Amino acid sequence: GNSVTQMEGPVTLSEEAFLTINCTYTATGYPSLFWYVQYPGEGLQLLLKATKADDKGSNKGFEATYRKETTSFHLEKGSVQVSDSAVYFCALGATGGFKTIFGAGTRLFVKA
Amino acid sequence: DVKVTQSSRYLVKRTGEKVFLECVQDMDHENMFWYRQDPGLGLRLIYFSYDVKMKEKGDIPEGYSVSREKKERFSLILESASTNQTSMYLCASSPPWTGGYEQYFGPGTRLTVT
Repeated sequence: GNSVTQMEGPVTLSEEAFLTINCTYTATGYPSLFWYVQYPGEGLQLLLKATKADDKGSNKGFEATYRKETTSFHLEKGSVQVSDSAVYFCALGATGGFKTIFGAGTRLFVKA
Repeated sequence: DVKVTQSSRYLVKRTGEKVFLECVQDMDHENMFWYRQDPGLGLRLIYFSYDVKMKEKGDIPEGYSVSREKKERFSLILESASTNQTSMYLCASSPPWTGGYEQYFGPGTRLTVT
């Protein structure tokens, strides 16, 4: 079946450090891939997406590339800020519509 | 901006009570979803609806029901609340041209059942 596995947290970084949060998936067909972010006390927000192999999604300095050969969609940011502290969810849009499969989430703490 | 609102941020109920969680979206989206969020488990889909009066079971529908009488409103009902339903409940909506994947979430309702 479809599933998403992302690295366990928490991840703690100093401001301006490089961020990578790993995400791999299992799916039939050609799913769409997403990263959502949840700031403290809020619901999830769509951060970026990629709909086909080799697509790169980007937003607010974050990037992720859809790698079909490694079934991965790792989230990266070159220089994190304290305001990036949040929980990040990798997600997969299953072929056929409607069902989005979420990973368990990775909590990021950024220290000043 | 899309706005999804949920009726309560925090709710405390007793075991056996009937609980209603309300969700309203203002963007005329066809698709609406209810999830529960638990630490280490991510989000799990309870029910979704792709049109008024239409509903589909998600991965964990047991102990829950839903109602969608109007396009903008999607209600989650716990018929007889139990302590294992203590959780964060998130509502989301999605426009049809995204296949239901790009979802806009409300702030969540943290429900405690004692």
